[in-house]
Amino acid sequence: SAVISQKPSRDICQRGTSLTIQCQVDSQVTMMFWYRQQPGQSLTLIATANQGSEATYESGFVIDKFPISRPNLTFSTLTVSNMSPEDSSIYLCSVRGQGLAKNIQYFGAGTRLSVL
Amino acid sequence: GNSVTQMEGPVTLSEEAFLTINCTYTATGYPSLFWYVQYPGEGLQLLLKATKADDKGSNKGFEATYRKETTSFHLEKGSVQVSDSAVYFCALSDVQAAGNKLTFGGGTRVLVKP
Repeated sequence: SAVISQKPSRDICQRGTSLTIQCQVDSQVTMMFWYRQQPGQSLTLIATANQGSEATYESGFVIDKFPISRPNLTFSTLTVSNMSPEDSSIYLCSVRGQGLAKNIQYFGAGTRLSVL
Repeated sequence: GNSVTQMEGPVTLSEEAFLTINCTYTATGYPSLFWYVQYPGEGLQLLLKATKADDKGSNKGFEATYRKETTSFHLEKGSVQVSDSAVYFCALSDVQAAGNKLTFGGGTRVLVKP
């Protein structure tokens, strides 16, 4: 399995500010994903973080709002920009591939974001 | 497109009761099926999986059988404990879908009372 560290684990932010969430994996992985889990809801895929190129965003999510970086095979960041209370959610990093069990996706503990 | 439907919660049980959480799916290809569990305040953990029809996944006393004829992957546990209180997500991964993405059900909250 993979050990996935997310920072921060939680934060309370003011409207209009931005927050960058970091995801560090203890081994090289092929795929890295970012999900959003709104209160009491299921998980929604925001984007796939691609190493060395622009992330691939799902319908309803745009780069200006959720810029993503992935400089190498073990690290990615997600920024939530110009936040509003509607952005209050849990944001989860997820990984798959390379040295991990085939077709298994692993998740970090999540970042709990509250926007006032 | 692919979709996963699971029973809505919350499900409230007494300790040692039998738990069933229904999950059905639609997929264009031959998906792998998963159950993930989210304990309070934590991220998702893989509970069990099945990769082809008639496979049975099992872990921590939980079981689920991949039923292609009924497109189902129901989760069961014979005797639940208070520590099983969590949200359970059924999911599928379709190798024929772009990027092999996970599709999640809506989640089922389970509360086990002593």
